[in-house]
Parts: sequence; structure tokens; C-alpha cells
Amino acid sequence: KQEVTQIPAALSVPEGENLVLNCSFTDSAIYNLQWFRQDPGKGLTSLLLIQSSQREQTSGRLNASLDKSSGRSTLYIAASQPGDSATYLCAVIRNNRLAFGKGNQVVVIP
Amino acid sequence: SAVISQKPSRDICQRGTSLTIQCQVDSQVTMMFWYRQQPGQSLTLIATANQGSEATYESGFVIDKFPISRPNLTFSTLTVSNMSPEDSSIYLCSAGQGHGYTFGSGTRLTVV
Repeated sequence: KQEVTQIPAALSVPEGENLVLNCSFTDSAIYNLQWFRQDPGKGLTSLLLIQSSQREQTSGRLNASLDKSSGRSTLYIAASQPGDSATYLCAVIRNNRLAFGKGNQVVVIP
Repeated sequence: SAVISQKPSRDICQRGTSLTIQCQVDSQVTMMFWYRQQPGQSLTLIATANQGSEATYESGFVIDKFPISRPNLTFSTLTVSNMSPEDSSIYLCSAGQGHGYTFGSGTRLTVV
């Protein structure tokens, strides 16, 4: 069974600092990995999808890397803003099944 | 990617009653999924809903408690039946395949 761990569980940073969020998984036989953002009590917003053949994806201030051999993905958010405050979830995808971590809860302090 | 409209966004229900959650997708999708997110926890898959066949339920979830309909390729409903306070959660629908998944905005259910 795929186990997904996200570290740190929670963090607070001052505005302008770069964020580094980590996701590790136990089974490297994955198809893709997707990062989501979730605001309190809300649904999930897709941020980045990394296909298993890729090593990274970028969108604006966001960059996500994937190292299947070590079972790790990292989400970088450059120059954080208060609007980045949310919970970030990574999901490992295989055979149309998503295994989620518990998330990284981020607070960006103005 | 597909856009999913989910409703209601929240509800407070009496124990013993049922609530039906609806998800409408703006394009035809083969597979739709229903998840539960209990307070402070991550998402757990309840079932996979394919059009024209019965939903496939994950271990720990049964059709009598969580009946699902999938009448066409753009719509699905999940009913939470005979509710108890333990059913208080966020329920989310999702659509997609290996190239990425989209989620609805969630239904925040409180059972009193």
C-alpha cells in the first residue's frame, strides 16, 4: 500500500521568503504526481502535475520536482505572499488511484 | 481540464436523515470519484463511479450507506444515508484520468 508523507506538517514564514514543501512516498512505481492547494473547508485546486517521465514542472512562482528513485517530490514557492496561505497536498497517482499525504499547512505572515 | 460544480457547499443535518450531493462536470468524463476528508485528515476514496455500471466501493464503504448514481458522463450524485455525527466531513467529487485530476469545491457536512 502506498504511503505518502508530507513534511513539515505546518510552517509559518514571513512574506517574501521562499517555501519548500516536501512529499515522500514508499512505492516508486507511480504514473504521475500532482500537487494541490486547499483553502480551509474548500475543495482542491490543482497546481502542478508531474508525469513520471518528467523531473520537474514550473508554473509562475511554483516549481515542483520529482525523484522517483528516492520516492520524493518537492514543491518550491518563490517569494511567498499572504495569499499563499493554505494547505498543500501532494497526490501520488497510479492506476487511477490517488494516494494523498496529510498536507503541508502554510501561513505566510505579512 | 474539466470544471466541476458541486452542491451544496455546506449543510447541517439531523442524525438519521440523508443528504444527496451533486456534481456536474462541464465536459464528458469516463471516471468520477467520491472522497471523504475527515477533520484534520487527508482524503480517503469512497468509490469510483462509472457511467452505465455500479460504483466500485473501497474497503470500509458500502452501497447502503453511500449510494452513488452516475446517469451520464457529466453528472454524479453521492447520498450519505442514515447520518450520524461520525459522518461529519468534507465530501469531494473528482474527475480525470492519469493525466491529472480535477476536484469539486467540496461539501462541508455537519451532522447534529
